[in-house]
Amino acid sequence: QTVVTQEPSFSVSPGGTLTLTCGLSSGSVSSSYYPSWYQQTPGQPPRTLIYSTNSRSSGVPDRFSGSILGNKAALTITGAQADDESHYYCVLYMGSGILVFGGGTKVTVL
Amino acid sequence: QLQLQESGPGLVKPSETLSLTCTVSYDSITNIDYYWGWIRQPPEKGLEWIGSIFYTGDTYYNPSLKSRVTMSVDTSKNQFSLQLSSVTAADTAVYYCARLRTRRTVDSWGQGTLVTVSS
Repeated sequence: QTVVTQEPSFSVSPGGTLTLTCGLSSGSVSSSYYPSWYQQTPGQPPRTLIYSTNSRSSGVPDRFSGSILGNKAALTITGAQADDESHYYCVLYMGSGILVFGGGTKVTVL
Repeated sequence: QLQLQESGPGLVKPSETLSLTCTVSYDSITNIDYYWGWIRQPPEKGLEWIGSIFYTGDTYYNPSLKSRVTMSVDTSKNQFSLQLSSVTAADTAVYYCARLRTRRTVDSWGQGTLVTVSS
């Protein structure tokens, strides 16, 4: 069974840059997996940030960007702000209509 | 502005069937650009895709849940539904309905509804 991997946690200073990654337990992530990224704060539904590797969802600031780095999908946040403190989830499309979520990364801004 | 609203019982007994409905507002469920789906999140845990459906009834289910999941669409009411059979405590979660872009990306989310499985 394919597992989508993410860092469990990440810390960043205000104004700093962080790059979260999304990998596969077996194999490499490419744009063919249409990686997408979601932000979730406690008690709220997720918010879609990035789809199809690097397309920003409507209203998402350009501080958030997506890419493929090596064999993983990546979400980069530049100029980190206090309200970026959230959980971030990636999703990979496995084909045949199947989506798999990563376990999520808890980002702390301090 | 698209709105998705989940509805259904907040408490289901073990071994029974969980049934939820999502009402879509400000978009048509027959929009050919989108699929519609369900995602859940157990308390203090991550997100899990349950399944997706097109307005024609074309469905895709999470293989780990496939034997227990049924999704359906009611175009006359602009709604889609989820049924999950033989529930256990492990099915306790916030259930989100969602709109999917081309099956591959969730682009809009409902507010979610907590379903607790308990006797």
